[in-house]
Amino acid sequence: DAKTTQPNSMESNEEEPVHLPCNHSTISGTDYIHWYRQLPSQGPEYVIHGLTSNVNNRMASLAIAEDRKSSTLILHRATLRDAAVYYCILRDQKTSYDKVIFGPGTSLSVIP
Amino acid sequence: GAGVSQSPRYKVAKRGQDVALRCDPISGHVSLFWYQQALGQGPEFLTYFQNEAQLDKSGLPSDRFFAERPEGSVSTLKIQRTQQEDSAVYLCASSLALQVPEAFFGQGTRLTVV
Repeated sequence: DAKTTQPNSMESNEEEPVHLPCNHSTISGTDYIHWYRQLPSQGPEYVIHGLTSNVNNRMASLAIAEDRKSSTLILHRATLRDAAVYYCILRDQKTSYDKVIFGPGTSLSVIP
Repeated sequence: GAGVSQSPRYKVAKRGQDVALRCDPISGHVSLFWYQQALGQGPEFLTYFQNEAQLDKSGLPSDRFFAERPEGSVSTLKIQRTQQEDSAVYLCASSLALQVPEAFFGQGTRLTVV
């Protein structure tokens, strides 16, 4: 499985943008980049995914480097409810199914 | 509009006891996954079902762990002769179909073996 590396932890001030980086230098051409987050005492929840182009949804934006070896999850205005562990995950869409493999993720703290 | 439901939310078991953890996926979801999450770690994959077929059980840590989904909806994860290292949160996730990007997770069952 292609691996991702993320910082263990990050801090952000409330109402400021947050850029969460992810490196995936061994990504293959059929790997999609997915982000999930896990709030305290909750199961993970899907945030966003992309292949090559930048993506936006109501929760966040995903910026993907041109060589696809890294990506950044962008929270435009951090709120206290965004404090969570954020997981960057690669999923190979050419296989018949692909389980979601989690790494340790980035623990985001939001300071009021 | 219920999401993935897991029961019980908390379970305390004496070492050596058998436990059964239940997962009710979102209605109509074909794929179902089980994960184990130790404190401070990311979830670890245990097993995968497509409808009633268990297609991947490579993550089950020992033959004491057994999962089933007999009618392709509700799933049960059974752990026999529990040991202290089995203490963890057990998460269930479902998704609508193969290749669908979004998996929906339940809140998990916290198992404590004493």
